Amino acid sequence: AQSVTQPDIHITVSEGASLELRCNYSYGATPYLFWYVQSPGQGLQLLLKYFSGDTLVQGIKGFEAEFKRSQSSFNLRKPSVHWSDAAEYFCAFAGAGSYQLTFGKGTKLSVIP
Amino acid sequence: DGGITQSPKYLFRKEGQNVTLSCEQNLNHDAMYWYRQDPGQGLRLIYYSQIVNDFQKGDIAEGYSVSREKKESFPLTVTSAQKNPTAFYLCASSIFPGRYEQYFGPGTRLTVT
Repeated sequence: AQSVTQPDIHITVSEGASLELRCNYSYGATPYLFWYVQSPGQGLQLLLKYFSGDTLVQGIKGFEAEFKRSQSSFNLRKPSVHWSDAAEYFCAFAGAGSYQLTFGKGTKLSVIP
Repeated sequence: DGGITQSPKYLFRKEGQNVTLSCEQNLNHDAMYWYRQDPGQGLRLIYYSQIVNDFQKGDIAEGYSVSREKKESFPLTVTSAQKNPTAFYLCASSIFPGRYEQYFGPGTRLTVT
C-alpha cells in the first residue's frame, strides 16, 4: 500500500539550532514528494517539491530536503531555526497515475527562544 | 492577487442541519480538492474534481456532497448523514489533476453541536 510516514509527532528545538524532520514513503517507484507547513488555524503552504533530477532541493524560508531512494526518505532540513518556524509540517507524495496527494500525519515543531 | 478563498472562517451549526462550505479560486486551475483535517490525523481527501461538471469521491466521501458548475468554484456540503462533522476543512487546487503541487485555502473550522 502506498503511504507516507512521519515518525516524529512533536519536536522541540532551540532557536538557532539545526533541524531535521523525517519523512519515509512506501511506493514501488519514484514518487513526487512535497513538504508543506501549516501555522495554527491556517491553510498549508508549499515549502518545496521533488519531481526528478537533483536529489537535494531548495525551498522557501531557508528549507531544503534530500531525496534518498535507497532509504525511501525525503527529510526536511534547516541549518538554523527561527522562532517563526514553529508550526506543523506535513510530508506528502503522489504516485504515478494518481490524482491525489497522500499526506503524513504531520510533525509539530516547537522552538525554544 | 491570485489565490483560494474559503468562507466563512468559522461556522457553527446544530446537529441535523446541512451546511455548505464555500471555496473559490482565481488561479485558473483545472483541479480542485476538499480535505478534512482532525488533530493527529493529517489530511484526508473527501472529494476532488478534475474538470467542470465532474468530480470523484476521495477516501472519506460518506456524508458529504459537492458540485463543480464553474471552474472557479467547488462548494462542499456537509450533510446530516456525516457522523462526526466537527473538523477543519481545507480546499485546494492544482493546475492539472495528478502529480502536481496543490495550493491551499485558509480553511473553514466547522463546529456542530
